[in-house]
Amino acid sequence: KAGVTQTPRYLIKTRGQQVTLSCSPISGHRSVSWYQQTPGQGLQFLFEYFSETQRNKGNFPGRFSGRQFSNSRSEMNVSTLELGDSALYLCASSYGTGSGEQYFGPGTRLTVT
Amino acid sequence: QQQVKQSPQSLIVQKGGISIINCAYENTAFDYFPWYQQFPGKGPALLIAIRPDVSEKKEGRFTISFNKSAKQFSLHIMDSQPGDSATYFCAARRGGGSARQLTFGSGTQLTVLP
Repeated sequence: KAGVTQTPRYLIKTRGQQVTLSCSPISGHRSVSWYQQTPGQGLQFLFEYFSETQRNKGNFPGRFSGRQFSNSRSEMNVSTLELGDSALYLCASSYGTGSGEQYFGPGTRLTVT
Repeated sequence: QQQVKQSPQSLIVQKGGISIINCAYENTAFDYFPWYQQFPGKGPALLIAIRPDVSEKKEGRFTISFNKSAKQFSLHIMDSQPGDSATYFCAARRGGGSARQLTFGSGTQLTVLP
């Protein structure tokens, strides 16, 4: 079974721009969660989607948003990029909201200059 | 109440030795405690997980010990190998409801010397 895939793997953007990251979960998994990983703050939860509905949101500004499609693929968007948004953005999929096992993709490395 | 504290920040172990990483939590609503292993340039990989109704779980060379009364859990890597050199994260998930977010510890960078 293929794992979680994320595209693109690397991205360089300029401050003020916006960016869209994509995540394809493991086949059959319906829940997708997004995390931000930085050296200073570690792994922080952004939001979770299940059946195209946002189920939970972390403590991030409204510039961070996401959505999930009917095939469970998910996208996250960051608008008005700031230098501090430079991070590894990780997507994790699980079978359902009742499942404990979350499987992570390789991440998208975003650099904001 | 959501924090998970992990120690040590870094750990150096000789090949064949035992690596021990500790985590502590405050929120008694946590009901699932996984450990993840992350290599440079990769996403975290689920290693082993435990629920609070058991005190120990072993999978190969990896063992989780769980102390519910002390609100602590630890990862033991037996017969540590250079290939185990990676960053390890403990995590915890609150039970109930539909929110399944993981709260992560700050990570431990493990180096196993040959």
